[in-house]
Amino acid sequence: GESVGLHLPTLSVQEGDNSIINCAYSNSASDYFIWYKQESGKGPQFIIDIRSNMDKRQGQRVTVLLNKTVKHLSLQIAATQPGDSAVYFCAERIDTGFQKLVFGTGTRLLVSP
Amino acid sequence: DVKVTQSSRYLVKRTGEKVFLECVQDMDHENMFWYRQDPGLGLRLIYFSYDVKMKEKGDIPEGYSVSREKKERFSLILESASTNQTSMYLCASRTPGRGNTEAFFGQGTRLTVV
Repeated sequence: GESVGLHLPTLSVQEGDNSIINCAYSNSASDYFIWYKQESGKGPQFIIDIRSNMDKRQGQRVTVLLNKTVKHLSLQIAATQPGDSAVYFCAERIDTGFQKLVFGTGTRLLVSP
Repeated sequence: DVKVTQSSRYLVKRTGEKVFLECVQDMDHENMFWYRQDPGLGLRLIYFSYDVKMKEKGDIPEGYSVSREKKERFSLILESASTNQTSMYLCASRTPGRGNTEAFFGQGTRLTVV
C-alpha cells in the first residue's frame, strides 16, 4: 500500500550537533523521495529531494540518504541551529499518470541552545 | 516571490453547514492539491487537480468535493460539515514535470466544526 512512516515522533538535539531524521516507506514504485520542513504557523516548505535511483544527495547543510533495500530514507542536518526547529515530513512522489505526493506523519525536531 | 494564499486562517462552522475553503496561487501552476493535517497522521491528500476543471480523488475524499473553474483557484467544499472534519487544511500547487517535486503550500486554514 501507499504509506510513509517515521521512526521517531520527536527528536531533541543541542545546537551545533548533527541531526538525523529517519523515515520508512512502503511503496516501491515511488520515483522521488522528498523532505519538507514545517515551521510553526506555516505550511510545509521543500528542503531537498532524491531520485529513486540515487543513494545520496547533498544540499546546504543537509544530506538525504536512500536505502532501497530496506526502504529507508534519512535526512541529516549538519551543525543544527535553533532555526532548524520544526516538524519534518518525508514524502514520496508516485506517478500513476498523475504525479501525487504522499506524506509521512512527521518528526518534530527541537534544538536547544 | 511565489505565493499560495488561503482565504482564511481560522474558521468556525456549525455541524451541517456547507463550507467553502478557497485557495489561490499566482505561479500559473497546473497542479493543485488539498490536504488535511492531523496530529500523528501527517498530511493526507483529499483531492487534487491536474488542470482546470480536472480533478482526482485523493486518499480521503469522503465528505468533500472540489472545484477548479480557473487555473489559479482551487476550492474545497465540505458539503455538510461534521465534527470529524475539524482539522488543519493545507492547499498546495506545483508544476508537473519529470524532475520537479517541489510543491508550494499555503499557510493553512484551521477549521473547527462545532
